[in-house]
Amino acid sequence: EDKVVQSPLSLVVHEGDTVTLNCSYEVTNFRSLLWYKQEKKAPTFLFMLTSSGIEKKSGRLSSILDKKELSSILNITATQTGDSAIYLCAVERRGGADGLTFGKGTHLIIQP
Amino acid sequence: KAGVTQTPRYLIKTRGQQVTLSCSPISGHRSVSWYQQTPGQGLQFLFEYFSETQRNKGNFPGRFSGRQFSNSRSEMNVSTLELGDSALYLCASSFGDRDQETQYFGPGTRLLVL
Repeated sequence: EDKVVQSPLSLVVHEGDTVTLNCSYEVTNFRSLLWYKQEKKAPTFLFMLTSSGIEKKSGRLSSILDKKELSSILNITATQTGDSAIYLCAVERRGGADGLTFGKGTHLIIQP
Repeated sequence: KAGVTQTPRYLIKTRGQQVTLSCSPISGHRSVSWYQQTPGQGLQFLFEYFSETQRNKGNFPGRFSGRQFSNSRSEMNVSTLELGDSALYLCASSFGDRDQETQYFGPGTRLLVL
């Protein structure tokens, strides 16, 4: 059975801090790993990492896939209160018969 | 361009009843996926429809079913509701089959089963 574990489950930091969120996975026939940000209801797509694209960056956010360690990190630098959200990690199999398998998420709170 | 819409946004039902939730994808998107989100289990994949065909199915009992219409709108149905079915039900649409990078989520339907 596919498994995605995120850590920490929750994190409280101050504005301006840098945070690193972790995601480890066990999946048969790995195809991709995705990060989402969920603020109120709808998760919004952040990054997709594959064997051919193991590092992505967008503004203050960046993510790296470690294929050997079967893990990924999401970095947020110079955090702002608007970064407060639940960050979800998901993996997709080749063949995709089971859709996406999500971790439980990291609840990030940025204090002013 | 309008986003993914889901109706109703909130719903209260009692055990044993059945419920139908609706999802209208972004115009031009042909794939619709459904997810259940609970505090205990997180987000779990229910099923995916593409061009009116169910392409993938998660590990949920047969009480959970869905369909997709020719205009790509999708419905999911839960029969014989149980307390544990209380959850946020999210749908997501994308242009292609398993097109994760362009998958957009709707705001969800919050279902409470009493």
